[in-house]
Amino acid sequence: QVTLRESGPALVKPTQTLTLTCTFSGFSLSTSGLSVNWVRQPPGKALEWLAFIDWDDQKYYNSSLKTRLSIFKDTSKNQVVLTMTNMEPVDTATYYCARTSSLPFDYWGQGTLVTVSS
Amino acid sequence: QSALTQPASVSGSPGQSITISCTGANSDFLRYNYVSWYQQHPGKAPKLMIYEVNNRPSGVSNRFSGSKSGYTASLTISGLQAEDEADYYCSSYTDSDTWLFGGGTKLTVL
Repeated sequence: QVTLRESGPALVKPTQTLTLTCTFSGFSLSTSGLSVNWVRQPPGKALEWLAFIDWDDQKYYNSSLKTRLSIFKDTSKNQVVLTMTNMEPVDTATYYCARTSSLPFDYWGQGTLVTVSS
Repeated sequence: QSALTQPASVSGSPGQSITISCTGANSDFLRYNYVSWYQQHPGKAPKLMIYEVNNRPSGVSNRFSGSKSGYTASLTISGLQAEDEADYYCSSYTDSDTWLFGGGTKLTVL
């Protein structure tokens, strides 16, 4: 059974760095063809893809946010971590992690709401 | 990154069929068939409904179908049911090894 769960702070201050962790089970990110993505959704707005890291440690970022994002994995812990620097109120959103296999975004976490406010 | 354009809202009565469009702007949208569709109920995570234009994952009702012609992909839901009321998002993989999501369409079942 594949599950993913996001964790991290619910509140961050402007200019701070956000660190989110996706802890997953039911698969290994060392398996060929698998990747883990981060997707966010501001309240009442659309989904926005942020980044993914694949089984081969290749990393891809949303070009609009590339300078602020970093993604890495700890295969032994079944975790993927996303950092986003210089947080602003417009970054307030629910942040999801989701797996891609031969099917895109086939399993999602429940999401974690991050509010950016002083 | 270019956007995927969806109508803001569509509606239909129970039993009817509706179609949601998704228009891409890049040549990779035209060239490749990596279009997928997601259903999202309020407060819930999205759920994959269609992948690679017209394939349904195991467990998804055959009332959901997809197609693509040129720069426009479509999701059709036949035999509308109250439980189909949700937001729907299209997505596409790009030449740059990145993903795009559409702006979302709110489906109302009248």
